[in-house]
Amino acid sequence: EVQVVESGGGLVQPGGSLRLSCAASGITLSGYWVHWVRQPPGKGLVWVSRINPNARTTTYADSVRGRFTIFRDNVKNTVYLQMNSLTVDDTAVYFCAADFGGRRDCWGQGTLVTVSA
Amino acid sequence: QSILTQPPSASETPGQRVTISCSGSTSNVGRDNVYWYQQLPGTAPKLLIYNDYQRPSGVPDRFSGSKSGTSAFLDISGLQSEDEADYYCAVWDDSLGSYLFGGGTKVTVL
Repeated sequence: EVQVVESGGGLVQPGGSLRLSCAASGITLSGYWVHWVRQPPGKGLVWVSRINPNARTTTYADSVRGRFTIFRDNVKNTVYLQMNSLTVDDTAVYFCAADFGGRRDCWGQGTLVTVSA
Repeated sequence: QSILTQPPSASETPGQRVTISCSGSTSNVGRDNVYWYQQLPGTAPKLLIYNDYQRPSGVPDRFSGSKSGTSAFLDISGLQSEDEADYYCAVWDDSLGSYLFGGGTKVTVL
């Protein structure tokens, strides 16, 4: 069974940092683009970032560029999202999606990030 | 306000057909592949349509996608109670250099 699991969410103060992890089983992440998508409470989906299989190409939404960094460890079959200079607008459930929009498209259940003083 | 415009809601009785639109521009819908996702309450999104009209294995053929110019469409025929969910279109935007999601459409089965 293919499974993607996000972790690392929690409560952080404005200006703080958090690192999210996206681990997989039943699928080798190193063969796929992996994306992060977030969903603010009660709102719609917002695309955040993506990384290609060999980690040479990364892309970011304007709202997070320069503050968030996506990277991967293919040995650990894990993709990460390092989030710095967090603001209240970053409060959301963060989903990891392997092979976004592809035949093996697979999402985790999400991890909640709350930015509050 | 989303660059990709979807109606906020749609409703129909069981067995009927619902069509959801996703209106964009020549830099996104008019140029690249459109994806459609279904999100049931409290769950992760699930891919329904990729590459404008293709269905992943396991997705019922009641769900179909199409595109015309800068608008894409998701049709749900033979509406069932379990189809009550939020539906999102997604597409790459060449001008922005990022993916976009529509604002989402909440489908209610009356």
